[in-house]
Amino acid sequence: QQQVKQSPQSLIVQKGGISIINCAYENTAFDYFPWYQQFPGKGPALLIAIRPDVSEKKEGRFTISFNKSAKQFSLHIMDSQPGDSATYFCAASKGSARQLTFGSGTQLTVLP
Amino acid sequence: NAGVMQNPRHLVRRRGQEARLRCSPMKGHSHVYWYRQLPEEGLKFMVYLQKENIIDESGMPKERFSAEFPKEGPSILRIQQVVRGDSAAYFCASSAGTAETQYFGPGTRLLVL
Repeated sequence: QQQVKQSPQSLIVQKGGISIINCAYENTAFDYFPWYQQFPGKGPALLIAIRPDVSEKKEGRFTISFNKSAKQFSLHIMDSQPGDSATYFCAASKGSARQLTFGSGTQLTVLP
Repeated sequence: NAGVMQNPRHLVRRRGQEARLRCSPMKGHSHVYWYRQLPEEGLKFMVYLQKENIIDESGMPKERFSAEFPKEGPSILRIQQVVRGDSAAYFCASSAGTAETQYFGPGTRLLVL
């Protein structure tokens, strides 16, 4: 049973546009929601993370919006750049176990 | 401060052989996680270890797979009698504690012929 559903599978955005990637989770015990960025041939790198006690977190051009009642969270990339072209994964974890449950990934392409 | 190191980066094995994947966590990190990524899919948790202890192996296949994190040296993910379905990228992550951020290594790409 997939516990974190991610959409869209792929996304094409013009340079300067806003990229939006959505995730929904099922397990209400999740209490940590990170986003990872992965370039081809590389390991995932943490972009930004949020806990359910806040509804939004912003770091530079990256913003997480969190809706606890809907069990949804999203990543917004403002002023998208070609260098942002990568695969983005949302994830979730609970308690002290900290094993991450990943979404299926979104391949973002930012056109110059 | 070097990041998480994994070797080899690429590994080719024939069916029935053994594969050994190594992971050296970041300096000061004593928690190691292994994940597997199949082509076009997200990462799937396999096992969580602390020094000399397996904390959670709920994602590990019941047979042929084992992991260890000895007191000295890297963590090892061992796959015995590999099959074609084992072909994937295997990532190791480390953290300083259970509530800390996980930092990922570059992965080992395993190809089983």
